[in-house]
Amino acid sequence: AQSVTQPDIHITVSEGASLELRCNYSYGATPYLFWYVQSPGQGLQLLLKYFSGDTLVQGIKGFEAEFKRSQSSFNLRKPSVHWSDAAEYFCAVRETGTASKLTFGTGTRLQVTL
Amino acid sequence: DAMVIQNPRYQVTQFGKPVTLSCSQTLNHNVMYWYQQKSSQAPKLLFHYYDKDFNNEADTPDNFQSRRPNTSFCFLDIRSPGLGDTAMYLCATSSGGVTDTQYFGPGTRLTVL
Repeated sequence: AQSVTQPDIHITVSEGASLELRCNYSYGATPYLFWYVQSPGQGLQLLLKYFSGDTLVQGIKGFEAEFKRSQSSFNLRKPSVHWSDAAEYFCAVRETGTASKLTFGTGTRLQVTL
Repeated sequence: DAMVIQNPRYQVTQFGKPVTLSCSQTLNHNVMYWYQQKSSQAPKLLFHYYDKDFNNEADTPDNFQSRRPNTSFCFLDIRSPGLGDTAMYLCATSSGGVTDTQYFGPGTRLTVL
């Protein structure tokens, strides 16, 4: 069965600093990978996704993620964090195929200090 | 803008009093999902509809039911809410194609007293 690990439960960064959120997955074939962000009391917003092709994926709000097959990782990065980026971030994996179930990681809560 | 809408955003109910949560979408997507998310946890899939085909997760309690009367609407019915059902309920939709991507609504925060 597929699984997702987000090793960091909580991360604090200063505004303007760079950010990297870690995500490792377990899946037998090439997975479909997603990052979602959730602000308090809100739904999940899609940041970016990877299906195939270029392993460096650009998303909204200045985020990017890199798929590394050898490390089974899909880490999320941002070069300069803004206070409004404070939120919960979820990595998710989906089996290849149609309308398959998403498996979420446990999330990383990002705090931004001014 | 095409979107996923959930009503109400906040719902308070009493222990054992049935409650219905609503989800609608303007994306014309084939698939609609219901998730339960408890505090500081990842969303947990309850069930989904692919068109009219209902797919229940094995560990979803019988207390939770769903209806999809048409493409645009999907309802979550909780027949006899318990205190443990206090959570955020998220609706999501997707096209169902190969590059299937789920888009989420803003959620309904349900409190059972």
